[in-house]
Amino acid sequence: DAGVTQSPTHLIKTRGQQVTLRCSPKSGHDTVSWYQQALGQGPQFIFQYYEEEERQRGNFPDRFSGHQFPNYSSELNVNALLLGDSALYLCASSLMLDGAEAFFGQGTRLTVV
Amino acid sequence: AQKVTQAQTEISVVEKEDVTLDCVYETRDTTYYLFWYKQPPSGELVFLIRRNSFDEQNEISGRYSWNFQKSTSSFNFTITASQVVDSAVYFCALSEGENYGQNFVFGPGTRLSVLP
Repeated sequence: DAGVTQSPTHLIKTRGQQVTLRCSPKSGHDTVSWYQQALGQGPQFIFQYYEEEERQRGNFPDRFSGHQFPNYSSELNVNALLLGDSALYLCASSLMLDGAEAFFGQGTRLTVV
Repeated sequence: AQKVTQAQTEISVVEKEDVTLDCVYETRDTTYYLFWYKQPPSGELVFLIRRNSFDEQNEISGRYSWNFQKSTSSFNFTITASQVVDSAVYFCALSEGENYGQNFVFGPGTRLSVLP
């Protein structure tokens, strides 16, 4: 049973460009959440998708957007990249149940130059 | 507002020593979940334990144990007889409100180094 898979593993982009990160949830999971983890810090919640809709959103600007597909996979898009967007982007999948544990992927390391 | 504090930035111990990682949380909700995750160098967050706000029983799982005290808003994690493989960054996390366990507030993490 494959866990949460993310692609690509690493990515280098230029300031001002746009980027798309992808996530396939653990088999059987219907909810995907995205987190940004800057170097030396804890992950910060970006948003969560369930039933192809954004259900919750953290304190991130509109440059960060996402999508969930009918097969529950998800994309994170970031427009007009800033140097400060350089981070590890983690995807977590779970079931939409109280107290459900989240399973995390290995992340995408984004470097903006 | 919800907040998680892990006062210990880095801890170094020698193998076989016991080590306790501290976690203090803030929340206005009466119903919430607390978690511990481990992040090895590979980057993936590995689930260790979940505890809901109504269950203050301490738990032991092998070399790991957890002490949850609502009176002090603390959820501390102890590794007994530490091993080199325990070296990682450990995060305490809080989830409250609807859809518990879906939207975490993480602490800043504690980097544990276990030396041989």
